[in-house]
Amino acid sequence: EADIYQTPRYLVIGTGKKITLECSQTMGHDKMYWYQQDPGMELHLIHYSYGVNSTEKGDLSSESTVSRIRTEHFPLTLESARPSHTSQYLCASSEPGTGGKTDTQYFGPGTRLTVL
Amino acid sequence: GQNIDQPTEMTATEGAIVQINCTYQTSGFNGLFWYQQHAGEAPTFLSYNVLDGLEEKGRFSSFLSRSKGYSYLLLKELQMKDSASYLCAVTYSGNTGKLIFGQGTTLQVKP
Repeated sequence: EADIYQTPRYLVIGTGKKITLECSQTMGHDKMYWYQQDPGMELHLIHYSYGVNSTEKGDLSSESTVSRIRTEHFPLTLESARPSHTSQYLCASSEPGTGGKTDTQYFGPGTRLTVL
Repeated sequence: GQNIDQPTEMTATEGAIVQINCTYQTSGFNGLFWYQQHAGEAPTFLSYNVLDGLEEKGRFSSFLSRSKGYSYLLLKELQMKDSASYLCAVTYSGNTGKLIFGQGTTLQVKP
């Protein structure tokens, strides 16, 4: 199972601030993901990466951006936070499947963001 | 789309058995995951099914029927700590590992 870390766990900020949510994993997984989840709702994929220098937008449109300069690190940045960005942000990484199985994703603890 | 459908809420009694169903679109189906998510916490991996049949892991079992687009998660000998949301997630061929999540089923276990 992956050791995957997210900081901060909770963040309350004012509108217009630039923020970066950190995500790191120590298992050397190539694939990493960012999800957004509102209370009681499903997870929506907003960004993913298949390795260093690879980033793609997910199924849910997001004003955030990501970078993947190192395998273990996949930060998410909001240039100008707004109240509509208030949500929980979950980072995940996956190990390659074996024997024809698909990858299994393991999640970090999440960052709960509140924009006032 | 690839609608993933689960009941929104379920209630069961401590010590009982509960079955949580999940249906999905079969076209391009690759595999199905079940995750457990306690309130305010991250999802944790429970099971993965790619072939038809039952996968048993302790008190939890997961079943898949590829032809029917149907899966269930079976929880036996329910404990209070099993109160959580249970997320069904599907991968489709061509999505290269991306998960499509259902809304989740919130299970409340009562004494």
